[in-house]
Amino acid sequence: GEDVEQSLFLSVREGDSSVINCTYTDSSSTYLYWYKQEPGAGLQLLTYIFSNMDMKQDQRLTVLLNKKDKHLSLRIADTQTGDSAIYFCAVPYSSASKIIFGSGTRLSIRP
Amino acid sequence: EAGVTQFPSHSVIEKGQTVTLRCDPISGHDNLYWYRRVMGKEIKFLLHFVKESKQDESGMPNNRFLAERTGGTYSTLKVQPAELEDSGVYFCASSDTGNGYTFGSGTRLTVV
Repeated sequence: GEDVEQSLFLSVREGDSSVINCTYTDSSSTYLYWYKQEPGAGLQLLTYIFSNMDMKQDQRLTVLLNKKDKHLSLRIADTQTGDSAIYFCAVPYSSASKIIFGSGTRLSIRP
Repeated sequence: EAGVTQFPSHSVIEKGQTVTLRCDPISGHDNLYWYRRVMGKEIKFLLHFVKESKQDESGMPNNRFLAERTGGTYSTLKVQPAELEDSGVYFCASSDTGNGYTFGSGTRLTVV
């Protein structure tokens, strides 16, 4: 079955860039997702990338996709305290009847 | 447009009791999904409804869990009897096309 791996923690200084990495084993999907969960809140779709793209930029967010290596990354430029959250990589599986999540990367910001 | 609504937001029950979680999807969304995150681990798929039919229930952990979606609108997830390992956050999501899932805020279930 599909397996999605992320590192559990990332700590960056305010104003620096954050890079959250994700690897997956298989994907027949058309989209790959990044979700954000702030404390006490639900899962918010942060951004996504179409599988035939290798990069997507949306303001401070940059998503990179390397299909050959099955590697997805999320870069947050100029990281702010409001970016503190858990970030989940999510990959639709098989017939896309479900999406498989990574374990989430907890991003913390140092002053 | 109202989002996906889940009720209750929190529930604390004793081991052996029954709990029913409810999810109201976005109006008109045929696809409804249940997921859960246990003890800070990954978010795991439980099942997928298309309208009132169970499309995929491969993630349901055991027969103590029963999901229904009568009439193809809201869905309930009942845990009976609850065990300690059922504690976690239960998320519901809906979509119209099978892409672009919208998640609810989740129900935090604590079994003591």
